[in-house]
Parts: sequence; structure tokens; C-alpha cells
Amino acid sequence: EAGVAQSPRYKIIEKRQSVAFWCNPISGHATLYWYQQILGQGPKLLIQFQNNGVVDDSQLPKDRFSAERLKGVDSTLKIQPAKLEDSAVYLCASSPRITGELFFGEGSRLTVL
Amino acid sequence: GIQVEQSPPDLILQEGANSTLRCNFSDSVNNLQWFHQNPWGQLINLFYIPSGTKQNGRLSATTVATERYSLLYISSSQTTDSGVYFCADSGGSNYKLTFGKGTLLTVNP
Repeated sequence: EAGVAQSPRYKIIEKRQSVAFWCNPISGHATLYWYQQILGQGPKLLIQFQNNGVVDDSQLPKDRFSAERLKGVDSTLKIQPAKLEDSAVYLCASSPRITGELFFGEGSRLTVL
Repeated sequence: GIQVEQSPPDLILQEGANSTLRCNFSDSVNNLQWFHQNPWGQLINLFYIPSGTKQNGRLSATTVATERYSLLYISSSQTTDSGVYFCADSGGSNYKLTFGKGTLLTVNP
């Protein structure tokens, strides 16, 4: 069974530029998560989808971050404009149900200069 | 939301030693999971354990839901066990999985 796929693995941009990350969850998984992990910290939930609806986006900085999950399958996370403090690893995870075991992708490492 | 406290924050072991990692939760547990983040950053789910005890090889986990804590046991540690161990739960009132700050484990040969 294929795991959670993410791209790109690495991205370097300058502040005020935009960036987009893509995630394809495990087939059949209804719940999809985007987490932000800053070096030395635990992952922080940005947004959680159940199928193509948003369950929680309370910690998503909505003035610059946006995410969508069209058709309830893959998802895109966008940052525009980026700030220095957005440098982090963006982790996508999926789960077969809203309370269940999470499976993570390898992450997308963003460096903002 | 739920608060997750992990201890110890750092742990250094010699290969072959045993260890116990602990997580305390501020709310009732219902979605408790343990993860290992390897030195390359990959997060691997070790256990989904909202209650009871589970074992997988040299690793085992116990959750005492009534007292809001969970323990991860690593026996006969190996250098490949090095990395950061996280626990996470969503608490009793929502589905948002909140992570602790992690325990950094270093196993020396």
C-alpha cells in the first residue's frame, strides 16, 4: 500500500514570495491533516479535513495560509506572502477516520530567506 | 485544548539498556498515539493506544485512561531507536490531535 505522498521535499524562497505544497493521502483515508513543525518542537496542527470539509483550522494563519482538498482526495497548502518565521517542515498526514491512527508523509522542508 | 506533557525531555542510553517514556494529559484521552521521528525527520506511528497495553517487538505501550497518562517502554535499546518520541491525543471534546514537545532519545553504541 502506498504511503502519504508529499511534494516538493525541499523549497527555498525569499520572504514575501509564495509557495505551495501538495499532498496525496493513503487511498481511502477520509481524514487529512496539515501540520507545521518548527525545529525542536512538536508538530502543530494547521488544518484538518474530513473528506473535503474543514474540521479544524483554528491555528491556520488565514491572512497568509490557505488550504483546500478538492474532491476529498489530494490537498494543497499555500503560503502567500511567506515570512521568515514560516521556515519549518510542513507535514501531511492521513487517517482512515476522524479518530484513528495517523500516517505521515516525509514532509516538505521550507526555508524562507 | 488538551495539554500534553512528556518526560524526560532528553534521554541518553547505552545500547542494550531499557527505558520508559511518559506522557501526561490534561484532559480525558480517546485518540492516544505514540510516534517516533527518526533523524531524517520521518514520523512513524508506533502505537494507537487509547487504553490498555500493546506490544510490538522490543517496544510496548500502556495507557491508563482513568489517570490520563501513557508509558512507552523500550527494551534492549539499539542505536536505530535514536530520535524523538512524541505522544499525541485529541482530548475528550474535539478531534484535533495535539502533540507533546517530545523526548529526544540518543542510544550510544
